[in-house]
Amino acid sequence: DAGVIQSPRHEVTEMGQEVTLRCKPISGHDYLFWYRQTMMRGLELLIYFNNNVPIDDSGMPEDRFSAKMPNASFSTLKIQPSEPRDSAVYFCASRSWDRVGGELFFGEGSRLTVL
Amino acid sequence: RKEVEQDPGPFNVPEGATVAFNCTYSNSASQSFFWYRQDCRKEPKLLMSVYSSGNEDGRFTAQLNRASQYISLLIRDSKLSDSATYLCVVNRSGRGSTLGRLYFGRGTQLTVWP
Repeated sequence: DAGVIQSPRHEVTEMGQEVTLRCKPISGHDYLFWYRQTMMRGLELLIYFNNNVPIDDSGMPEDRFSAKMPNASFSTLKIQPSEPRDSAVYFCASRSWDRVGGELFFGEGSRLTVL
Repeated sequence: RKEVEQDPGPFNVPEGATVAFNCTYSNSASQSFFWYRQDCRKEPKLLMSVYSSGNEDGRFTAQLNRASQYISLLIRDSKLSDSATYLCVVNRSGRGSTLGRLYFGRGTQLTVWP
């Protein structure tokens, strides 16, 4: 079975540019999460969706960040304009309501560097 | 106060050693508990769930103390391949029918040396 698929794996961009990260969750999973991980702050939840509807976006740092989930198989996280402090690994993860224990499956991450 | 607190380590132990990690959580409404493992430059992956009665999976034993809001992970007979960061994770139920969000600790780094 395909796992959570993220793209791009690596992105290097200049300050002020728009960045779009993409995620395809595991088929049948109805929860999708976006996390950011840095050495300083660890793993932070940015936003999560249930059945394509945003449930909690309190972790989105500011208006420069936005996330969408137009359908059950695709989500995007956009940063516009990007800043050097946005440099981090961004993980997308999905889980299923039916899954006992609620295991969260992560993608391999998108490593973002903003110069 | 953070939802989940862990000793960041690092723990450096020789092969064959027994090592224990501890974790505390702040919200008594927490319902599900897990340990995830994250290898260097990789994504976190579920290591094991933690049940109220305690549970064991091979060399790994997890314990939960709800009264003290405390979770532990014990690794016996450490292997080189156990070197990783171990994340304590707690799940609270959300409003309505949502599963709620998972809260991750900062992780405890373990290095097992030959």
